[in-house]
Order: sequence, then C-alpha cells, then structure tokens
Amino acid sequence: IVLTQSPGTLSLSPGERATLSCRASQTFSSSYLAWYQQKPGQAPRLLIYGASSRATGIPDRFSGSGSGTDFTLTISRLEPEDFVVYYCQQYGSSPRTFGQGTKVEIK
Amino acid sequence: QVQQQQWGAGLLKPSETLSLTCAGYGGSFSGYYWSWIRQPPGKGLEWIGEINHSGSTNYNPSLKSRVTISVDTSKNQVSLKLTSVTVADTAVYYCARGYCGADCQYYYGMDVWGQGTTVTVSS
Repeated sequence: IVLTQSPGTLSLSPGERATLSCRASQTFSSSYLAWYQQKPGQAPRLLIYGASSRATGIPDRFSGSGSGTDFTLTISRLEPEDFVVYYCQQYGSSPRTFGQGTKVEIK
Repeated sequence: QVQQQQWGAGLLKPSETLSLTCAGYGGSFSGYYWSWIRQPPGKGLEWIGEINHSGSTNYNPSLKSRVTISVDTSKNQVSLKLTSVTVADTAVYYCARGYCGADCQYYYGMDVWGQGTTVTVSS
C-alpha cells in the first residue's frame, strides 16, 4: 500500500488550524492507520493509532479521522512546538509503509 | 519508564555487514512486535522489517534478501543484520516497539523508539 501525504509543506501561523492528508493506494481498515510526529534530530513519536485514538500523553489539539483510503490529521490550534514533520503509517498489509511526510512550517 | 537502547557500528565500508542491537528496559517484552526502521539523510521513514517475541519475522521485500532480524528474549534484545551494504544504506536506523492486539485485529502503533543509530557507508 502506497501512502501519499499532502501537502508536502504546510505554511501556517501559530494558533491556526492544520489539516494534513494521507491517501492510500488501496483500501484498508482504519484500525491499522497511525500518525507520528518527528522533531529534528529525534526519533518519531506516536500521536494517533487506529486512525483516531490519541496515544498516551498527546494533547487533545491533535485529532485523527478517516476511513477507506482517506485519512486526516488535524491540529486544532498550532503551538510553536508543532512546527515539525508528520508521517502516516499503515499496518494493514505488508510491507508496512509510511507516507513521505508533511512538514508544517511557520508562515 | 519503558525505554529502548540501541547500539552498533556506525561506519562501514561497502560490502560489509551492518549489525545493530536494541534492548528493551522497563516493560514486558512478550506480546509485542519489534520493528527496524531507517531514515536516509534528509528523507522519510522506511520500514525494514519486524519480529515478534516468538521469533516470527516479516521483511520489506526490497531488502529481504539482505536482512535478518532476530530476538533474544532472555536478554530482551532484538538484532538487525544487513549484508552487502552500499552507500544507499547510509541512514539513521531506529528500533521501535509496536503492538497489534490479539490476532492483530487492531494496531496500536509504535509507541517506544530507540534513540537511533547513524550508520554511514563509505569507502
């Protein structure tokens, strides 16, 4: 399954709403979709699993939705520390794949 | 607090074998999948493969002929070997713990990651 994330770069201001898209080349269960955040020089951090469940300790400004082939990560109000890279990942079939990433940058 | 520590050689010559180990601390080892993921400089994440506590493996077809992932449950350790490395294998390599529930009907994501090991392949 190929995951295509859009846009590649999202330019927004702190306090604004961010909507990140992850589109799959074929349908799979939303139970197998996860989102990760990666800060420079750090390992990725799990944000969302099962398409919409927040991982432990993740603020409620992060939310996930979607089904079938279209999934979305929404950040309701951007904080300064949110301007980093985000990846979606599927576990519905092998090989497990990641999207190419969306970078959220300060406008 | 659950942590993962990884180590291994950081500088290799072409045709050599990459060897990395990841140890889990502070949590249960059984019931989880242990994945290796890599990230070339300035690029995205690539899944290499995974193993569960009973030793069942699953590899990325693009690397399958060169990859071996193994587990030592007595030491809570998972290892990665990648043979015949080339410059294209230069990347940061991560181990990560994942969980997908009974019969893997639900995926809980990879919630604990190692710190990453930078591997450079150069002649």
